[in-house]
Amino acid sequence: NAGVTQTPKFQVLKTGQSMTLQCAQDMNHEYMSWYRQDPGMGLRLIHYSVGAGITDQGEVPNGYNVSRSTTEDFPLRLLSAAPSQTSVYFCASSSWTREQYFGPGTRLTVT
Amino acid sequence: GQQVMQIPQYQHVQEGEDFTTYCNSSTTLSNIQWYKQRPGGHPVFLIQLVKSGEVKKQKRLTFQFGEAKKNSSLHITATQTTDVGTYFCAFPRGNQFYFGTGTSLTVIP
Repeated sequence: NAGVTQTPKFQVLKTGQSMTLQCAQDMNHEYMSWYRQDPGMGLRLIHYSVGAGITDQGEVPNGYNVSRSTTEDFPLRLLSAAPSQTSVYFCASSSWTREQYFGPGTRLTVT
Repeated sequence: GQQVMQIPQYQHVQEGEDFTTYCNSSTTLSNIQWYKQRPGGHPVFLIQLVKSGEVKKQKRLTFQFGEAKKNSSLHITATQTTDVGTYFCAFPRGNQFYFGTGTSLTVIP
């Protein structure tokens, strides 16, 4: 099993550009989520999904969209990138036990 | 946001010394999880505590959940250089997860 995979690993965007961060898991987990990690602030939940077709907002959803058309995939879209979105983004999945498995992360810089 | 304080923010120890990080909540938690993140890496699940007063051990790591289920601690005995990283507590509230700000551990050989 590959676990949780994320692409790309690194990305540089200009202000105003849009992009999609990809996340996939092969563990048949129902719960998937996106976090951003900034220095001194831990991980903050952006959006989450409890199953295919169901998504909801987390703590910091503004500027991001998600969709969940399959159990395996949970892409995160940045609509119009801003320097404040410079961060490390982690995707995670979990089963009913709630133990979360994280992907390797995407390091995003917005200039 | 959720009121979860994790202290200390940073800790430097000599190899062989003990280390403890604390997670304190203003409200009762249903359960608490602990994660470790190595420098440049991603968070990795360590353990979940559910019961009031629960204590679990993993080799040199001891995890405790307070009697009131409002605080938790992670204690490492005789640290090694492999223990370097940031340790996070995390807890669910409904379908959302909240993470503490983490404690960054440096081990000096």
